[in-house]
Amino acid sequence: GENVEQHPSTLSVQEGDSAVIKCTYSDSASNYFPWYKQELGKRPQLIIDIRSNVGEKKDQRIAVTLNKTAKHFSLHITETQPEDSAVYFCAASLMEYGNKLVFGAGTILRVKS
Amino acid sequence: DAGVIQSPRHEVTEMGQEVTLRCKPISGHNSLFWYRQTMMRGLELLIYFNNNVPIDDSGMPEDRFSAKMPNASFSTLKIQPSEPRDSAVYFCASSLPFNEQFFGPGTRLTVL
Repeated sequence: GENVEQHPSTLSVQEGDSAVIKCTYSDSASNYFPWYKQELGKRPQLIIDIRSNVGEKKDQRIAVTLNKTAKHFSLHITETQPEDSAVYFCAASLMEYGNKLVFGAGTILRVKS
Repeated sequence: DAGVIQSPRHEVTEMGQEVTLRCKPISGHNSLFWYRQTMMRGLELLIYFNNNVPIDDSGMPEDRFSAKMPNASFSTLKIQPSEPRDSAVYFCASSLPFNEQFFGPGTRLTVL
């Protein structure tokens, strides 16, 4: 089955700096890669996703890149703000009718002001 | 839309008791997922349903756990008997076919 590894486990950045979180997956059949943000005590919420037919996707300060050959994908947050502080999870799946996600272990991002 | 609804939001019970968690997916969503989140094991998929039919229950930890979806707007996750190691946050999520999953607010379960 699919296995997703995520690094780093914790990341501290200064406000305004960029943050990068990386994930690798094991199943070459996986074709859907979402990123979720979870604030303390709250539910995971989708912030961006990418499908395997594209290499990069951007949404304002957030971007995701995918390298299918190397089986890794990354989340990039630019101009970080204190409200970006949260736990970020990557996931991978074979997008089917019902989409079975396998999550990485999560990255605690702290943005210092 | 109200989003995915879960109840109760918090549950404290004693070891050996039966626990039932409830979920109402977003109206029109065909797939429903139950996850468990702990510090040690992260976010794990327990079981998921397509059109009320269980598709993959390989994440259900043991026979003490069972899940049902009697209709398109309701699902339950039952633990009987409960044990302290079942303490976790349990999330329900739902999705349209081939689409993103939306998570509910979760149920924080504490088994004493």
